[in-house]
Amino acid sequence: QVQLQQSGPGLVKPSETLSLTCTLSTGSLSSYYWSWIRQSPGKGLEWIGYVYYGGNTDYNPSLKSRVTISADTSKKQFSLKLSSVTAADTAVYYCARNREGYYMDVWGKGTTVVVSS
Amino acid sequence: DIVLTQSPDSLPVSLGERATINCKSSQSVLYTSNNKDHLAWYQQRPGQPPKLLISWASTRASGVPDRFSGSGSGTGFTLTISSLQAEDVAVYYCQQYYTTPYTFGQGTRLEIK
Repeated sequence: QVQLQQSGPGLVKPSETLSLTCTLSTGSLSSYYWSWIRQSPGKGLEWIGYVYYGGNTDYNPSLKSRVTISADTSKKQFSLKLSSVTAADTAVYYCARNREGYYMDVWGKGTTVVVSS
Repeated sequence: DIVLTQSPDSLPVSLGERATINCKSSQSVLYTSNNKDHLAWYQQRPGQPPKLLISWASTRASGVPDRFSGSGSGTGFTLTISSLQAEDVAVYYCQQYYTTPYTFGQGTRLEIK
């Protein structure tokens, strides 16, 4: 069973870029979509977007202007970049695998990101 | 965006009793091309990521106990736990994958009465 290991800083300054990476323990990125989701007390679970292993992406329109999700098949990693962060971006960020491109069947453990100076 | 509204927000249930959680969608998530409802249910225990319970509205994920069942179609769905166990205390979410942006319900907190 594939496991997803998340990495990245837990503290980001306002106006800077949040960067997180998700690395697969086994298997490959091939043939799956890979998502980022965040969870904050105020907004619950929010899907940020996904990347297909071939590089196609789809983003939540609410974040689209600030989000980039990319995949590196050679490293078995996919990454999230969220620019111009504010306190409203403080949340637990999860990476996940989209089964059949739809529901999320494997999740990372989550990374708590706080936006603060 | 498709809005999912769960009810109730909080549900106290005695051990061994049935728990029923509802999820109503602002539009149908039934895809006519495959005749499948694009709806999933997740369980989230404190400090853990969500765990997939049900996909396609009624298909249990691998390893999920059969006391969990999903039903419904179109715009109305139900997650039922037939006999509540202590380990079922968690927050439960529905999620639609009919169209992006994928969206989640606000969650239902299940607790022991």
